[in-house]
Amino acid sequence: DGGITQSPKYLFRKEGQNVTLSCEQNLNHDAMYWYRQDPGQGLRLIYYSQIVNDFQKGDIAEGYSVSREKKESFPLTVTSAQKNPTAFYLCASSPSGTGRYEQYFGPGTRLTVT
Amino acid sequence: DQQVKQNSPSLSVQEGRISILNCDYTNSMFDYFLWYKKYPAEGPTFLISISSIKDKNEDGRFTVFLNKSAKHLSLHIVPSQPGDSAVYFCAASASLRGAQKLVFGQGTRLTINP
Repeated sequence: DGGITQSPKYLFRKEGQNVTLSCEQNLNHDAMYWYRQDPGQGLRLIYYSQIVNDFQKGDIAEGYSVSREKKESFPLTVTSAQKNPTAFYLCASSPSGTGRYEQYFGPGTRLTVT
Repeated sequence: DQQVKQNSPSLSVQEGRISILNCDYTNSMFDYFLWYKKYPAEGPTFLISISSIKDKNEDGRFTVFLNKSAKHLSLHIVPSQPGDSAVYFCAASASLRGAQKLVFGQGTRLTINP
């Protein structure tokens, strides 16, 4: 079955620790995205990548880092510099080409930092 | 600056009646609009979309209307079913360095009452 997997579903960390969230897709999509969702808010774009070994900052990239070494994988690291890291993190992918606007989302990872 | 707004945080509708969810946007450069449905602790799933060159798109029980002059779109669900209870996000698409960037509204929680 084609899809996007994110692991783990729930993650707990102590303040000051870096943590990496996994995102894998087998849809053969070129573009991948990371969003965070906070209560009562929409999804906000953290980073996106259109192609392997290339990625761009989104609207709220501070305190986060990413890598795109393989087409299928786009891990997100939440660093200790992120001031408010507790949130629900969503990974998405989309095919390239004109007229392809839909992004397909994974199940999400809820990160709690205490 | 909230470019996409869903002004109703919640909506309650009787089963079998019509549900109407609204969304306003400010950026005239948006060229595609999408609706996503989201259950708690899951990723959003794509529901229906509309190009800015159209004013209506229909898919089964779901119809999206776009009023470009008013910068307003709406999602109609008829008849509403209990399984439609979820949070609905509207999103607007704009090109960003070749990628399609989605800007999301804050979401509307729809509850269908039996």
